[in-house]
Amino acid sequence: QSALTQTASVSGSPGQSITISCTGTSSDVGFYTLVSWYQHHPGKAPKLMIYEVSKRPSGVSNRFSGSKSGNTASLTISGLQAEDEADYYCCSYAGSSTFVFGGGTKLTVL
Amino acid sequence: QVQLVQSGAEVKKPGSSVKVSCKASGDIFSNYGISWVRQAPGQGLEWMGNFIPIFGTSSYAQRFQGRVTITADESTSTAYLDLSSLISDDTAVYYCAREVYGAHLDHWGQGTLVTVSS
Repeated sequence: QSALTQTASVSGSPGQSITISCTGTSSDVGFYTLVSWYQHHPGKAPKLMIYEVSKRPSGVSNRFSGSKSGNTASLTISGLQAEDEADYYCCSYAGSSTFVFGGGTKLTVL
Repeated sequence: QVQLVQSGAEVKKPGSSVKVSCKASGDIFSNYGISWVRQAPGQGLEWMGNFIPIFGTSSYAQRFQGRVTITADESTSTAYLDLSSLISDDTAVYYCAREVYGAHLDHWGQGTLVTVSS
């Protein structure tokens, strides 16, 4: 169960769009449509932003979208806002009732 | 409304054990599981394991096998994380989360800081 691979950091200016990628294997991301994304502000509880690759929970802005191709999932944030600055983690079901997280991506809004 | 309230911060000696609780209100144990996730200082989120009440089973990440036990008392809607043989690298914030079985974690507790220090 190796961690999923995410770019360590990404940045963008307000109003711009950014994409965070998350690469796994054919045993997790590539096999299951069970990729989720979490926003984590330091000192607070993580928040579910995307589930089942591309679905948004109620209350999450439609500026957040998700997709997957092969072993790589992506989170796109459009119309960047200052409050989007946070750490973002992907997570995939990995079989046998287990999950694996990505290493996290720090988003900086310039 | 779903709420997960965790027990308070702990300071433990190396080699000892810690038990963190997570009391749930709202719809948890009837249709969902509880996962535990930790974040060490300067590190990312790490899934540790879960308990699925409808199956009565626990599953654990490989690296914690043999050291972690996750249980639940459905009569009090409380889940527990028990971590033994603590080392300094176990210093972390531990979170419980409601698990939509095998899919995602949609509600989270506030986190419990466990510090392992001699």
